Amino acid sequence: SQQGEEDPQALSIQEGENATMNCSYKTSINNLQWYRQNSGRGLVHLILIRSNEREKHSGRLRVTLDTSKKSSSLLITASRAADTASYFCATDWNNRLAFGKGNQVVVIP
Amino acid sequence: KAGVTQTPRYLIKTRGQQVTLSCSPISGHRSVSWYQQTPGQGLQFLFEYFSETQRNKGNFPGRFSGRQFSNSRSEMNVSTLELGDSALYLCASSLEASSNTGELFFGEGSRLTVL
Repeated sequence: SQQGEEDPQALSIQEGENATMNCSYKTSINNLQWYRQNSGRGLVHLILIRSNEREKHSGRLRVTLDTSKKSSSLLITASRAADTASYFCATDWNNRLAFGKGNQVVVIP
Repeated sequence: KAGVTQTPRYLIKTRGQQVTLSCSPISGHRSVSWYQQTPGQGLQFLFEYFSETQRNKGNFPGRFSGRQFSNSRSEMNVSTLELGDSALYLCASSLEASSNTGELFFGEGSRLTVL
């Protein structure tokens, strides 16, 4: 079964707005990653946050991690049409990288 | 630096046939992981190869198999294809074992349609 679950699963926003996605996981982790996938293509790594970190920034991305709640959030600020994609969280689980089911984000120009 | 290359990109097979998919990792990467992606199940881990050895295997039937060569290129094979095997098969490479190294580098995938 999947380790991570994202919430919400589909999000539609206007260009310039912020988009927030959440992910929960079941067991303790060493790190949590977020990936983006454009329309059935390969996944692209966005950011990795380690279990001893609470927040991390990369450009317009901000990731938080709450290990006590076993959850993470990904915030995309000032969204652009090019941010339209599916976003997946992934955790190191059972000696593999396990992915959640993904959030579909549509940014309307 | 060339990325992860998967071939073929698209293929159509009929039930009962078998298929072989190929993945060339980024130069220097020793680990190759395979995932099956379907709309209903999301990204499901198939297996991981590291230095020619299968390091880990997901919950798939024995019809799904793979191997890795000395140059780190990997192939996966699906025998006796079923309609439910229709999916996007993604390969990802990393320097070290996937659960240790962090970032995975993905190919564009091989989209298999079984008729």
